[in-house]
Amino acid sequence: DVKVTQSSRYLVKRTGEKVFLECVQDMDHENMFWYRQDPGLGLRLIYFSYDVKMKEKGDIPEGYSVSREKKERFSLILESASTNQTSMYLCASSLIGRGAGASGNTIYFGEGSWLTVV
Amino acid sequence: AQKVTQAQTEISVVEKEDVTLDCVYETRDTTYYLFWYKQPPSGELVFLIRRNSFDEQNEISGRYSWNFQKSTSSFNFTITASQVVDSAVYFCALSEPNSGGGADGLTFGKGTHLIIQP
Repeated sequence: DVKVTQSSRYLVKRTGEKVFLECVQDMDHENMFWYRQDPGLGLRLIYFSYDVKMKEKGDIPEGYSVSREKKERFSLILESASTNQTSMYLCASSLIGRGAGASGNTIYFGEGSWLTVV
Repeated sequence: AQKVTQAQTEISVVEKEDVTLDCVYETRDTTYYLFWYKQPPSGELVFLIRRNSFDEQNEISGRYSWNFQKSTSSFNFTITASQVVDSAVYFCALSEPNSGGGADGLTFGKGTHLIIQP
């Protein structure tokens, strides 16, 4: 079974702090993704990566950056957390393709990280 | 206009009732993929099914069944003899290799919150 593991389930951070959300997958997937999920807005793509050191902006990249130094690990970084970044963050992975949707490959999700910025 | 419409925001039924979750999609592609995911209260998005546009066969997996009809652009999900453990938010998603729908070519509906009462 595919396993996508997010390091923190619940975090509370202060405004202005630098926040790291870590994600690891164990299926040798090329693609990895970060989404945020908010009530009434559904899932929105922040960034995705289709290879080590490669990244592409999603629909809402502002205020975020990412790092993919190893194939199995994809980190989401909030350089200076703000209250409007309070949300649930979901990491995901899939096999190769121009983004998972383009190739129709199934995306597998982690358990989510609930971030509260106060 | 939404590309994936889940018109039912919330459905509440009594245990053992059958329930159908609707999904209507919009695409100009002839090749596309449809997915259903389940999100229990724990937060993880669990993959349920993937269907490509060339396969209109209905699928049954235990108490779950899916009805794909290209003529009406629908991919509905039915749970037979519902159980309390089926309570979750269910997402329908569309992947389009050749057109938009997010940077990764994947578009999610806003989800249907299914409540199964004992």
